[in-house]
Amino acid sequence: DTEVTQTPKHLVMGMTNKKSLKCEQHMGHRAMYWYKQKAKKPPELMFVYSYEKLSINESVPSRFSPECPNSSLLNLHLHALQPEDSALYLCASSQGQGVTYEQYFGPGTRLTVT
Amino acid sequence: AQSVTQPDIHITVSEGASLELRCNYSYGATPYLFWYVQSPGQGLQLLLKYFSGDTLVQGIKGFEAEFKRSQSSFNLRKPSVHWSDAAEYFCAVGLYSSASKIIFGSGTRLSIRP
Repeated sequence: DTEVTQTPKHLVMGMTNKKSLKCEQHMGHRAMYWYKQKAKKPPELMFVYSYEKLSINESVPSRFSPECPNSSLLNLHLHALQPEDSALYLCASSQGQGVTYEQYFGPGTRLTVT
Repeated sequence: AQSVTQPDIHITVSEGASLELRCNYSYGATPYLFWYVQSPGQGLQLLLKYFSGDTLVQGIKGFEAEFKRSQSSFNLRKPSVHWSDAAEYFCAVGLYSSASKIIFGSGTRLSIRP
């Protein structure tokens, strides 16, 4: 099984809402990633978790709060977002941290902030 | 600064024709090089990668890429495209093995003419 699942597929939220994105993998991978992808742009790395610990935060605003409750699950908690945060949010996982490990991507959650 | 350039924003080729997508990188040493494909509404899938060794690498779905150090290029090729190859293609670099960050190019959208 080489699948990374993400829920929900689509999410519309207001600027005062609190919501969460969920990502799950059962490949035994120990590194997990959040990316943000704006329309017609490449993905941009947001966070990396390695062995359930936050390893990299690419200076992401605090209105995005990641969480890794266990080795299979990665959440992204959203609060007080802005319309410019509307994007496709991609989760990925890899066997280990480092570019030599292939990253497997989920299909993404398309987020619209109104 | 390190960068990845994909000079072609959009390419249209006829089904059955050959394909070459261009990628140039700017980095002093040989980086880790990747090509990813993203179908509409989907996550990214790794097509192939180059770390060292033979400069012609074979990937999935009949794709290959050639690393040319003298030209700082890593162009993607396919001898005969199929309608299902229509997608967005991203070239990417990883700067060193322990880094988690992959820097993506801006992407090339491939359309297939019947």
